[in-house]
Amino acid sequence: QSVLTQPPSVSGAPGQRVTISCTGSSSNIGAGYDVHWYQQLPGTAPKLLIHANTNRPSGVPDRFSGSKSGTSASLAITGLQTEDEADYYCHSYDSSLGVVFGGGTKLTVL
Amino acid sequence: EVHLVQSGAEVKKPGESLTISCRTSGYTFSRNWITWVRQKPGKGLEWMGRIDPTDSYTTYSPSFQGHVTFSVDKSASTAYLQWDSLTASDSAMYFCARHGISSQNWFDPWGQGTLVTVSS
Repeated sequence: QSVLTQPPSVSGAPGQRVTISCTGSSSNIGAGYDVHWYQQLPGTAPKLLIHANTNRPSGVPDRFSGSKSGTSASLAITGLQTEDEADYYCHSYDSSLGVVFGGGTKLTVL
Repeated sequence: EVHLVQSGAEVKKPGESLTISCRTSGYTFSRNWITWVRQKPGKGLEWMGRIDPTDSYTTYSPSFQGHVTFSVDKSASTAYLQWDSLTASDSAMYFCARHGISSQNWFDPWGQGTLVTVSS
């Protein structure tokens, strides 16, 4: 059981918008620690998608956006494309446990 | 451009030792920590810990403390992950990643991964 809770799966049709939630607690996200998001395409290494809650690294399309409020964070993907089909992970820091990941969410583009 | 290139896949027997490597380039090695992450087949990411190349100070996740060892060779800009005695439960993909110099920082970029298979 992961310290950060993500839905196991989400899906959407091409062009639609989907969101992936990442729910933590007062010892991690709620304590003010930053949340980062990674995309892992099948058979590849994770790739940084969003850092420090809302920031997109160079080269990441603006279809991807992040937000954070209270003890939760969210990743939004607009204008879904087939190449977005991947696993998505959130990452933060916990004052007791150290670095923590969410369990991952599999995005299916219908 | 920053690159992390990991050593190739390994097949080992239980009880054997193993060291895998993560060779970095494109940045000053000592300016960032290196973090290690395990991913078992079909499962999520697990943070194993990190090492500061400046002084080899390490922080291990409690789940991995005592079972693995991190080290670096600054002259080669390379980090290492070592097991003294493998078990079948160590079979997994292992990733290294560049880690900002704060526990809160993100991991970017990642190595391509090293697949470790432990089987008798």
